[in-house]
Amino acid sequence: AQKITQTQPGMFVQEKEAVTLDCTYDTSDPSYGLFWYKQPSSGEMIFLIYQGSYDQQNATEGRYSLNFQKARKSANLVISASQLGDSAMYFCAMREPVSSGSARQLTFGSGTQLTVLP
Amino acid sequence: NAGVTQTPKFQVLKTGQSMTLQCAQDMNHEYMSWYRQDPGMGLRLIHYSVGAGITDQGEVPNGYNVSRSTTEDFPLRLLSAAPSQTSVYFCASSLAGGSGANVLTFGAGSRLTVL
Repeated sequence: AQKITQTQPGMFVQEKEAVTLDCTYDTSDPSYGLFWYKQPSSGEMIFLIYQGSYDQQNATEGRYSLNFQKARKSANLVISASQLGDSAMYFCAMREPVSSGSARQLTFGSGTQLTVLP
Repeated sequence: NAGVTQTPKFQVLKTGQSMTLQCAQDMNHEYMSWYRQDPGMGLRLIHYSVGAGITDQGEVPNGYNVSRSTTEDFPLRLLSAAPSQTSVYFCASSLAGGSGANVLTFGAGSRLTVL
């Protein structure tokens, strides 16, 4: 069984500073994918970044980067140069491996509410 | 390109009533799924489908039915609504094959209140 843990219910960061949102996961499968989604107050789910378990490099997408530490089973999201518009709920999620035959489910963590202060 | 469209956006039901949440996607995605979001619990998978005529249960399927008669549509039926089904419901879709990086595209969500 998979499990995603986000231990920070809420985080504050000053505008223009960097912030790290923590995510740890638990799986016995060697093949998996890790995702981060952003949910602003308007409610939609916005995909931010993806990391595959076999990817050698940490994923980056603009101001977002994923600090992937496989041995520690952590996949922390780093947001550089925070902006007021980054204030939102952030979810870490893991995808079951295709080989399991159970297709494309994502298992989500409970989320971290990020507030960017002016 | 509309992506994933959910209707209705808001619905209030009385206990025992039934209703259907509609979901349609125009991206030719094989995989479609329904999640519910409750405070402090993230998103939990209700049902999913890997193609027309194929559905399966997720983590929290009780009280919900689904069907997949076409690639585009994946309705979620509440058979007899209960207050515990008060939640925000998300439909999501993705390609099923190829790269494991296929990203789930979400609809805007449907807020359901059961009195």
